[in-house]
Amino acid sequence: EAQVTQNPRYLITVTGKKLTVTCSQNMNHEYMSWYRQDPGLGLRQIYYSMNVEVTDKGDVPEGYKVSRKEKRNFPLILESPSPNQTSLYFCASSSTQGSRETQYFGPGTRLLVL
Amino acid sequence: AQKITQTQPGMFVQEKEAVTLDCTYDTSDPSYGLFWYKQPSSGEMIFLIYQGSYDQQNATEGRYSLNFQKARKSANLVISASQLGDSAMYFCAMRVSWGGADGLTFGKGTHLIIQP
Repeated sequence: EAQVTQNPRYLITVTGKKLTVTCSQNMNHEYMSWYRQDPGLGLRQIYYSMNVEVTDKGDVPEGYKVSRKEKRNFPLILESPSPNQTSLYFCASSSTQGSRETQYFGPGTRLLVL
Repeated sequence: AQKITQTQPGMFVQEKEAVTLDCTYDTSDPSYGLFWYKQPSSGEMIFLIYQGSYDQQNATEGRYSLNFQKARKSANLVISASQLGDSAMYFCAMRVSWGGADGLTFGKGTHLIIQP
């Protein structure tokens, strides 16, 4: 089954404690990205990756890092989380077949930073 | 910069009726893609339908169709014969730059509630 997986699904942590949210896709997609969703602000892109070892900033990259060492994995790293990073996070990967494109989203990770 | 506008924060619709969710977009790029996603209360983002800017026909996927009016820059989602399970948040999104480099720009969403 084609899917994007994220772990953990729920996480409560404290300010300053480094954490990593993993993301993996089994569709051999080149493009992957991270979004955060906040009430009243909608979904905003954090980082994206066009391929292995190619990453770039989205709209709200401050406080986040990413890496893309393998095609299937795209972890999101919070080196020193702060309460304003409390949010719902989505990983996504996309494919293009001819003129048709689909962006697949992971199930989401709910993060609470105390 | 690109922008997506969804003017309906919430809608109540009777079961079995058709629903139209509005979406207008703004971009100067001639090549773009438009998406609709459904987000139920459980939180996952479910892809519904896609329309490319050069597609001649409106996209359809089962009960979902996209009313694409390019000159008016609108991409409304039509759900035929609504069901109770259609109650959810619905997001319109746009991507410019083929290859996905710019990611998706999302609207603020419409909260659809289907009443029995």
